[in-house]
Amino acid sequence: DAKTTQPPSMDCAEGRAANLPCNHSTISGNEYVYWYRQIHSQGPQYIIHGLKNNETNEMASLIITEDRKSSTLILPHATLRDTAVYYCIVRSLSGYALNFGKGTSLLVTP
Amino acid sequence: ETGVTQSPTHLIKTRGQQVTLRCSSQSGHNTVSWYQQALGQGPQFIFQYYREEENGRGNFPPRFSGLQFPNYSSELNVNALELDDSALYLCASSLLAGNQETQYFGPGTRLLVL
Repeated sequence: DAKTTQPPSMDCAEGRAANLPCNHSTISGNEYVYWYRQIHSQGPQYIIHGLKNNETNEMASLIITEDRKSSTLILPHATLRDTAVYYCIVRSLSGYALNFGKGTSLLVTP
Repeated sequence: ETGVTQSPTHLIKTRGQQVTLRCSSQSGHNTVSWYQQALGQGPQFIFQYYREEENGRGNFPPRFSGLQFPNYSSELNVNALELDDSALYLCASSLLAGNQETQYFGPGTRLLVL
């Protein structure tokens, strides 16, 4: 599975959009981009995943560049409860493991 | 809430002992994966069970073993505990069908080895 690079930390004001970037320049054609988040001491929570098209669900939007070498997770109106570590994971169709890196620690401030 | 439950929530053991952790998967799921998360690190994949067979394994020694039962619940067994085994142990359940599989995590079991 391809490696990912994320900034170690980001801040966002409550009510504003949080845009979390992820680079995955070695991604191959059959690999999906998954996003999870982990609030302190809890299990990781699935957010969204995509292959090449942009995706949106009730939690977030996922924007994948046309060359698929990077993506952005967008939380449209961040709340204090969105403070968490966000993991971007690239995973192939035949893969079974989620390879978590260090993620981005997002702090939402009042 | 994912519907994935784990027990116990916390556990204290001493070096050399053995431990069994349990996981009940979400209804409709047929696959369970186990992860170890040391303090300050991301979760590390231990292994996955599908239809009661080990379906894949990460870089963990054989003293980490598992079982999956006909109802798709699972156990993680760790023998000869070491101090470095202190961690949050996470299980994730999923439906392995077709070409996509999304894993949903339980709350974890925090193990402290003294």
